[in-house]
Amino acid sequence: DVKVTQSSRYLVKRTGEKVFLECVQDMDHENMFWYRQDPGLGLRLIYFSYDVKMKEKGDIPEGYSVSREKKERFSLILESASTNQTSMYLCASGGQDYEQYFGPGTRLTVT
Amino acid sequence: RKEVEQDPGPFNVPEGATVAFNCTYSNSASQSFFWYRQDCRKEPKLLMSVYSSGNEDGRFTAQLNRASQYISLLIRDSKLSDSATYLCVVSTGNQFYFGTGTSLTVIP
Repeated sequence: DVKVTQSSRYLVKRTGEKVFLECVQDMDHENMFWYRQDPGLGLRLIYFSYDVKMKEKGDIPEGYSVSREKKERFSLILESASTNQTSMYLCASGGQDYEQYFGPGTRLTVT
Repeated sequence: RKEVEQDPGPFNVPEGATVAFNCTYSNSASQSFFWYRQDCRKEPKLLMSVYSSGNEDGRFTAQLNRASQYISLLIRDSKLSDSATYLCVVSTGNQFYFGTGTSLTVIP
């Protein structure tokens, strides 16, 4: 079974704080993704990576950055958290067949 | 125009009913298609890929119509445990586009 884990299930941060969300997968997948999910908007792709040290912008990269130093780990960074970044953040990994497997999600609240 | 559009529902159906969802996509160059299931406050889980010739997995049948640019999911003999939100996903190259989901409640 594919296992994708995320560092926190719930997180509360203050406006302006730097936030790190970490994601680890154990299936040796090349591709990893970060999404946010908001009511009425569905899942929106923030960034993805198809190899170590490679990253590509998704639909909504503004206010976010990512890091992929090792194949199994993909980190999402909010340099200066804002209230409009309150959301559910979902990490996924996938292989060459384009099927994606999701982690349990991190519900981030920025106050 | 959204890349992927789904009827949000909700669909409320009795146990044993057959229910179908459609999902339209805008990019004719889209290459891969999937259906995911998402339970309340949980992560999406892959239900099935959608192949050009259509495919079936037990009570679930997925179809692709490239000419009209839509995919469909048919659920036969609905069970209470089928209650969830169903998301369609369309892939174009390295980009993935999710629909906003269709909510299904199966009623006893």
